Order: sequence, then C-alpha cells, then structure tokens
Amino acid sequence: ELKVEQNPLFLSMQEGKNYTIYCNYSTTSDRLYWYRQDPGKSLESLFVLLSNGAVKQEGRLMASLDTKARLSTLHITAAVHDLSATYFCAVEEEYGNKLVFGAGTILRVKS
Amino acid sequence: EAQVTQNPRYLITVTGKKLTVTCSQNMNHEYMSWYRQDPGLGLRQIYYSMNVEVTDKGDVPEGYKVSRKEKRNFPLILESPSPNQTSLYFCASSPYLGSGTTYEQYFGPGTRLTVT
Repeated sequence: ELKVEQNPLFLSMQEGKNYTIYCNYSTTSDRLYWYRQDPGKSLESLFVLLSNGAVKQEGRLMASLDTKARLSTLHITAAVHDLSATYFCAVEEEYGNKLVFGAGTILRVKS
Repeated sequence: EAQVTQNPRYLITVTGKKLTVTCSQNMNHEYMSWYRQDPGLGLRQIYYSMNVEVTDKGDVPEGYKVSRKEKRNFPLILESPSPNQTSLYFCASSPYLGSGTTYEQYFGPGTRLTVT
C-alpha cells in the first residue's frame, strides 16, 4: 500500500531564509505532484515530476524527484510572505490509478 | 474558462438525510475523483472514475456512492450522512493517459459539509 510522508508538517520561516520540505513515499512510483493550498481555497498545481532526476523551478520554489530513494524535495529560496500556504505532495500509485497525498506542510513566512 | 465546479459550496445537514454534491468539468477529462480533506490527514481519495460508467473505490469509500453517467459529471452521494462525514470535499479531474497513468489533477473549489 502506498504511503506518503511529508516533513516537516509545520514550518515557520523568516523572510529571506532558505528551507526544504521533504516528501517520502513507500512504493515504486515515478509520478509525483506538488500542490499549494491557500487558507479556505482549493488546490493549485505547482509542479509535475514525471521521471527520476526531474527538477522543476518556478520563482523561489524548486522541486526535484529521486525515484530510487523514493524522495521528492521542495526547496524554498529566500522566502517571502506570499509563499505562506499549505504545500502538499501527491504520489501516483503505479498502475493503480490512484493519487495518494501527504498530510501537508503548513508554511508561515514571518517578516 | 477551463474549470471544475462543485455545488453546493457549503452545506449543513442532519444525520440520515440523503444528499448529493455535484461536480462538473468542462475540459473533456476522462478521469475524475472525489477527495475529503481533514486536518492533519491531507486529502484522502473517496472514489474515482476513469471514464463513463467506470468507477472504483479509493481509500475511504465507506458511506459514499458515486455515478458517472456522463463524461463531464461525477456526483457524490451520501445516502445516510453521519457526523464523521463532516469534512471539506474536493472534486478533481485530469486527462487519462492510458496504462494506469493520469496527469496533474485540476481541483474544484471545495464543498464544506457539516453533518449534525
């Protein structure tokens, strides 16, 4: 059974600092997604990672996927307040047609 | 505008009173799915559908039913709601690429359900 673990679950950052959110999963998969959710809102797709070694960057966020280690990272560079949100990783079950989400990381950027 | 819509957005109901939450997408996506979101648990999949008349259970299907009679619609039915089904519900859709793979999912705005 596919299980997805994110850590940390809560992250309080100072503006301008760097940090990384980790997403580990338990069974083989090479399709992983990162989503952002603002309070009271729906989920917005950030990154789609479809193969081992995939790296995607958008602004101050960079996501990578290591399928051998079953690990994805979301790196935040020089955090700004606008990045405050909850971030979810989601892993697609291989041949299972299902998407399993991590518990989410609540990110708060303090000025 | 490409979108997934859900109705109602907010619903307060009583135990045992049947309800339906509608979901519709205008992107011609084959794959549709329902999730519930609870604090500290992330999103958990309730049911999904890979195409018309093809549905399957997700991780938490108990107490829910779905149907997929048309490609664009995927309603979620609670035959006899209970307080433990109080949650935030999201519908999502995506293209289906074959061989058991989909692509990024597009989420609806959410339906906040309270069962008293």
